[in-house]
Amino acid sequence: AQTVTQSQPEMSVQEAETVTLSCTYDTSENNYYLFWYKQPPSRQMILVIRQEAYKQQNATENRFSVNFQKAAKSFSLKISDSQLGDTAMYFCAFIYSNAGGTSYGKLTFGQGTILTVHP
Amino acid sequence: DAGVIQSPRHEVTEMGQEVTLRCKPISGHDYLFWYRQTMMRGLELLIYFNNNVPIDDSGMPEDRFSAKMPNASFSTLKIQPSEPRDSAVYFCASSLSGWNQPQHFGDGTRLSIL
Repeated sequence: AQTVTQSQPEMSVQEAETVTLSCTYDTSENNYYLFWYKQPPSRQMILVIRQEAYKQQNATENRFSVNFQKAAKSFSLKISDSQLGDTAMYFCAFIYSNAGGTSYGKLTFGQGTILTVHP
Repeated sequence: DAGVIQSPRHEVTEMGQEVTLRCKPISGHDYLFWYRQTMMRGLELLIYFNNNVPIDDSGMPEDRFSAKMPNASFSTLKIQPSEPRDSAVYFCASSLSGWNQPQHFGDGTRLSIL
């Protein structure tokens, strides 16, 4: 079974500072993708960034970047120059492809980390 | 571009009533997913469709839940009869073909069963 663990239920950061959210996963699959989704108080689930397992280069999207450590099965999210609008719950998610195709579409989510950005 | 559209945004109803949640996926997306989010269980995949055909409904909690996709631009999730434990936020998401395509979520429907 695939599992995703976010060990930080809550975090806070001052505006303009940098914060890192942790995520670890457990899988025996080789072909998979990892995602970070953001859920602000408005409730919408917004894709922040994604990482392909076979790519060694860490993904970057503007102020958001990941530190993907495949051997350690770790996928942390770094938010630079934090803004008040970054206040949200952040979910790490995992999806894999197996030969039988039975895993299709089955995103496995972590428990989420509530991030609060203080002015 | 219009995103995934869900209605209603909030639904409050009494136990035993039928509830219908609606979803319009992003045009051109041929996969549609229904999720449920609760504090206890987090985000769970209930069912997904490919080209309007249900592919995997193993996440549907029980026979009171049913989902349909009569055409490429509309899907419903129905609960009949509803129970208080069905109270949750229900999300619809859609994606292009390809197991690794990102899923785009709607704003969700907050369902409260009294």
